[in-house]
Amino acid sequence: GQQLNQSPQSMFIQEGEDVSMNCTSSSIFNTWLWYKQDPGEGPVLLIALYKAGELTSNGRLTAQFGITRKDSFLNISASIPSDVGIYFCAGQLWSTGNQFYFGTGTSLTVIP
Amino acid sequence: NAGVTQTPKFQVLKTGQSMTLQCAQDMNHNSMYWYRQDPGMGLRLIYYSASEGTTDKGEVPNGYNVSRLNKREFSLRLESAAPSQTSVYFCASSRGLAGGPGRTDTQYFGPGTRLTVL
Repeated sequence: GQQLNQSPQSMFIQEGEDVSMNCTSSSIFNTWLWYKQDPGEGPVLLIALYKAGELTSNGRLTAQFGITRKDSFLNISASIPSDVGIYFCAGQLWSTGNQFYFGTGTSLTVIP
Repeated sequence: NAGVTQTPKFQVLKTGQSMTLQCAQDMNHNSMYWYRQDPGMGLRLIYYSASEGTTDKGEVPNGYNVSRLNKREFSLRLESAAPSQTSVYFCASSRGLAGGPGRTDTQYFGPGTRLTVL
């Protein structure tokens, strides 16, 4: 299957700091999605991106669909304790039908 | 509007037992998916159904079967459970890609089933 490389694997930051994470692929994707997963819960959709270069915000979260269509970035500004969780990227390739491919996640810890 | 629901929430099985995980969505989505999530492995696709009446294997289909019962429901069956199938199972749904150029799709997840096989 398609490989999505997500980095960093984990982050430990102070409350109030900004966070950046990214996903890269060897294939061109048509859709990029970003999810957050809390312990014991299912992933919750944060942001969806559909066009190369697209920049979309959801509150303190901003995500971008890379120009090459092989990468995507998620930024969190002014982190707060409830930002703790695992963040996943996912990509969809039209050529492979309706499948979504997932990164291995970035674990975020926010230190108050 | 419940979104994607899964039952049961927790299950413990003995090796060799069988069970069916149930999933339903009320968003009128065409496509449905089953994933498993293991520590450090991310989400791996087991089976998916692009539309009612079709099912396809994903990355890790061995030991599982699925049934797309109708547009709303997509079940996952373990015929003879093995300890390697201990995992958290997530069902998801999406509108699907029918519709031609410019189509967009977004996937939504259920709360998960935590399965332990002894």
